[in-house]
Amino acid sequence: KNEVEQSPQNLTAQEGEFITINCSYSVGISALHWLQQHPGGGIVSLFMLSSGKKKHGRLIATINIQEKHSSLHITASHPRDSAVYICPATYSDKVIFGPGTSLSVIP
Amino acid sequence: KAGVTQTPRYLIKTRGQQVTLSCSPISGHRSVSWYQQTPGQGLQFLFEYFSETQRNKGNFPGRFSGRQFSNSRSEMNVSTLELGDSALYLCASRKTSGGRNNEQFFGPGTRLTVL
Repeated sequence: KNEVEQSPQNLTAQEGEFITINCSYSVGISALHWLQQHPGGGIVSLFMLSSGKKKHGRLIATINIQEKHSSLHITASHPRDSAVYICPATYSDKVIFGPGTSLSVIP
Repeated sequence: KAGVTQTPRYLIKTRGQQVTLSCSPISGHRSVSWYQQTPGQGLQFLFEYFSETQRNKGNFPGRFSGRQFSNSRSEMNVSTLELGDSALYLCASRKTSGGRNNEQFFGPGTRLTVL
C-alpha cells in the first residue's frame, strides 16, 4: 500500500478555473514537496513544505501536519498548467512519491 | 547559478549490458539522490549520497549501484540490464542530507531504453 496518496488521479478543468490537488500521507514526515512534470519528463520543483503555507505566483501550497494532508491550489488556471503533479514525502530514511495527478486545462 | 545537469539525456542499450549515468548537482549542494520513473511503478527512490557516502537506499536489486565524488558529482551504474530497467532516471540535489527547509532540485533526467 502506497504511503502517499493523491486525489484526484485525473482532472480536467476549463481555463480560468480554480484547481485543488490533494496529497495525504500515513506517517510523520520531515518535508513534503510538490513537483510538476510536463510531457517529455522534465520535472520542476514547485514547493517544499514542512508547515504552513507557501505561495508562488498563481500557485499556493498548504500543509496540515496534524491531519497529514497537503493541498496544491492553482488560481486562474491556464493550458500551460497541464502537467502531472506529484507530491513526494521525505521521511527520515526514504522518499515516497505519490502516484501523481494528471491535470489537463482546456482553453 | 546552473541547475542540476544529467548526462547523457538519452541512451539505448541492449539486455545484459551495463550503463553509467552521471549527475552534477547545483554548486554548493552536497547531497545527490537518484530516482527511477517507469509507467508502471511511477517514481521510486533509488539511493542518496552525501559527502561521498551512501546515506539511504531504496528497494532495488544490487545491480543498481552508485557513487559520489569529492566534487559532489554522482554516478549511477546499472549492470546486466533488463528490459524492465527502461525508465527515466532522475537525480536531485540539495544542500545537505535530511533536515527541514532543505529543498531538492531535480535534473532533467536520462531516458534509458533497453532493447
